[in-house]
Amino acid sequence: QVQLVQSGAEVKKPGSSVKVSCKASGGIFNSYTFSWVRQAPGQGLEWMGRIIPLLGRTNFAQKFQGRVTITADKSTTTVFLEVNRLTSEDTAVYFCARDWITADSGNGYFDSWGGGTLVTVSS
Amino acid sequence: EIVLTQSPGTLSLSPGERATLFCRASQSVTSNYVAWYQQKPGQAPRLLIYGASNSVTGIPDRFSGSGSGTDFTLTISRLEPEDFAVYYCQQYGGSSLSFGGGTKVEIK
Repeated sequence: QVQLVQSGAEVKKPGSSVKVSCKASGGIFNSYTFSWVRQAPGQGLEWMGRIIPLLGRTNFAQKFQGRVTITADKSTTTVFLEVNRLTSEDTAVYFCARDWITADSGNGYFDSWGGGTLVTVSS
Repeated sequence: EIVLTQSPGTLSLSPGERATLFCRASQSVTSNYVAWYQQKPGQAPRLLIYGASNSVTGIPDRFSGSGSGTDFTLTISRLEPEDFAVYYCQQYGGSSLSFGGGTKVEIK
């Protein structure tokens, strides 16, 4: 079972960027896919995008294309999410999760989750 | 994108009762690729079921999933105090994945 430990809470100004990290331990990092899912206060879950570290390949929900970057550092088994041009609507808890993708759909379900990182966007 | 609608929004039940939660998709979900999660306040979601009906190691067997096509169900056979939480369905069969809006199971 992989354990995912995320970086701490952030407070950012509108228009700025935030970078959140997620360190994976246990298992084989290069054999996994990781996704980011966010949850605005009192709201449901929203998938943002994923990365396959072995290939360096990413894909994103259409809503986040061009504003979000997901990277991975194989040497430290850490995955990163960067969100640019922040607005108050980006205030949310951001979760990383291990993503069991299926070959036929290219999407998957999430069996391990990080503890979440609260990002607050406020002037 | 496949839209998932969960019902009811809130389910008020007593410990020991059976809970039945529904998840309806706007179009058929390929290979019944639906997962269910439990989330408690301040915690990350926890995977309960994948592939509509496949159980997850470590999850009590009172949790079960069923359904196919566009209609899916999560059943909790006998509610324990720790089961009061919000439950989400998620589909991963479409061109993009999506979550339902959640069902809150609260103590009556």
